[in-house]
Amino acid sequence: DTGVSQDPRHKITKRGQNVTFRCDPISEHNRLYWYRQTLGQGPEFLTYFQNEAQLEKSRLLSDRFSAERPKGSFSTLEIQRTEQGDSAMYLCASSLETTSEFFGPGTRLTVL
Amino acid sequence: SQKIEQNSEALNIQEGKTATLTCNYTNYSPAYLQWYRQDPGRGPVFLLLIRENEKEKRKERLKVTFDTTLKQSLFHITASQPADSATYLCALEMEYGNKLVFGAGTILRVKS
Repeated sequence: DTGVSQDPRHKITKRGQNVTFRCDPISEHNRLYWYRQTLGQGPEFLTYFQNEAQLEKSRLLSDRFSAERPKGSFSTLEIQRTEQGDSAMYLCASSLETTSEFFGPGTRLTVL
Repeated sequence: SQKIEQNSEALNIQEGKTATLTCNYTNYSPAYLQWYRQDPGRGPVFLLLIRENEKEKRKERLKVTFDTTLKQSLFHITASQPADSATYLCALEMEYGNKLVFGAGTILRVKS
């Protein structure tokens, strides 16, 4: 499968714990995006990378959230000290500069 | 304030009919407008993109219109099939390759 992959697909954690999600984009795509989606809503932009540079971060991305793309390939999104309000689907997407975004299957986070 | 509004109610139609979904936006000036399909528990899948200087775009049974004066896009699925049942998301892009701003989506149910 040459699409965008995300790991894990589901994560259940207790409030206050740290979690990390991984995204592997389509191999030649230089742009990588993270979105968050809650039930009944569309995806909301969190942050985006061009190669290894993080070019934009949403106000939604509090200081408990950090994203990296160390070698311009895969990316990780870490949430520290999780809160119940962090429960959502976290979606990763990738693109070239000339293509639309291709989304992964998402990681569903449940914070108890 | 900036808003993207899609049909808030689910759209129920009979197989073979044309489904028409609406996307209205306020206080945005998108260069591009995209439509995505999302099935439960999965990431969005790109369907069509239309530029601000285009009035209409077609792809197989799909047609999108874009009226920048009315600030509205219409998405049509002709000869609808039960397999078309999904949530359809409208997304605005202010410049190509930049982040997407999504509406909440419209649930389409096609009954046989």
